[in-house]
This record gives sequence, structure tokens and C-alpha cells, in this order.
Amino acid sequence: GAGVSQTPSNKVTEKGKYVELRCDPISGHTALYWYRQSLGQGPEFLIYFQGTGAADDSGLPNDRFFAVRPEGSVSTLKIQRTERGDSAVYLCASSSGLAGGSEQFFGPGTRLTVL
Amino acid sequence: GENVEQHPSTLSVQEGDSAVIKCTYSDSASNYFPWYKQELGKGPQLIIDIRSNVGEKKDQRIAVTLNKTAKHFSLHITETQPEDSAVYFCAAPPRPNSGYSTLTFGKGTMLLVSP
Repeated sequence: GAGVSQTPSNKVTEKGKYVELRCDPISGHTALYWYRQSLGQGPEFLIYFQGTGAADDSGLPNDRFFAVRPEGSVSTLKIQRTERGDSAVYLCASSSGLAGGSEQFFGPGTRLTVL
Repeated sequence: GENVEQHPSTLSVQEGDSAVIKCTYSDSASNYFPWYKQELGKGPQLIIDIRSNVGEKKDQRIAVTLNKTAKHFSLHITETQPEDSAVYFCAAPPRPNSGYSTLTFGKGTMLLVSP
């Protein structure tokens, strides 16, 4: 079956611009996670959705970052007024959300470059 | 929150040798410890995980051991092959696993297996 997909695979933008990154989770997965991975580092948690609601957004670095999941499936990570420090690979993961079923399946990521 | 330390940062072995990667965690309430493998340009992929009610788990050439008293867990790869070359990440949940928890990742170990 299809895994987690993310679009675009690469995004180059200029400082100050607005970007949207999309994640399509595995069908039926109720939990969805966004992580950010800088070069040479492990993924860093940003936000987690259970269904349509953000259950934990404690990892969002500031109010320029926002994410939605209006129908409980596809999610969009939105970054306003991008800064060069936002350059990283943005990873999306999903899981079944069942008790004890914590395996998170990751997408290939979107590489964001802010010039 | 959870603090996960991973070492070594790089590990070079000859094909056929064993490789061991170690991680420590800070939250004694953590009860789920996955290991992910990340190849260049791809998202992390779960290779093995262990829950706190067992001390060891094996899957063919891969094994994970857990020492809850010392709060550390290790990944063991035997009979390494060139295709094992990748970056490996350990992780732990910031809160006792409920099936919905996020993950805190280590900084990764780059494993290089030479033919």
C-alpha cells in the first residue's frame, strides 16, 4: 500500500516569503506528526495531530509556523515570513493511533531552502 | 522533557563485523524505544523497537537491548553488510507511551560498512 507522501520534495524560496508544505498520511492513520531535521541532526518534533485537532504543538518554534489538518487526513504546514534559519528537511509521519501502536511511518520529507 | 544522548556519532566497520550503537535517556517513565534507519534522501524507517517490559529483542541480524536501571538501550547489528550503511537514530517518547506520543530523537550515528 501507499506510504506517507510529501509534496513538494524540494522548495526554494526567498527570505520573507510564505510557504506551504503538504503531507498525505497513510490511509486510516489518525495520528499525524511534523518534524524538522537540520543537517547532521535527528528529527525535531514540531506538532502532532490526533484527527483534526492539534493535540500537541509545543514544538513549533514561533508564531510564524502553523499547521492544519481540516478533514483529519491531509495536513499542511505553513511558514510565514520565512527566514534563512528555517532551511531544513521537514518530515511528516503518521501512525495508527491505536493504543500500543506507536510505530511512526515517515515520509521522504520536503527540503526547504530559504535564500 | 526527555533528553536522548546517542554515541558514537560515526562508526566504521568492515563487512561481516558487528556494530553497536548506544543511547541513554533521562525520563525513567519512558517505556517505548524505537530505532530508525535513514538512508540518504529518504525519511527514517523503523527497523526495531523495544518496550520496557522486556530486556532484549531480536530480528535476524538486528537486536536491541534495554537496561531500565541504567536508562540506556543499544542497537546491535551482526554480520554487517554494505547495505547497512546509513544513519541510525534512537528515540524515546517524552511521556509514557499511550499510543499517541511524539518522539525525541538522538543526534544519529553514521554507520559505514566497508566491503
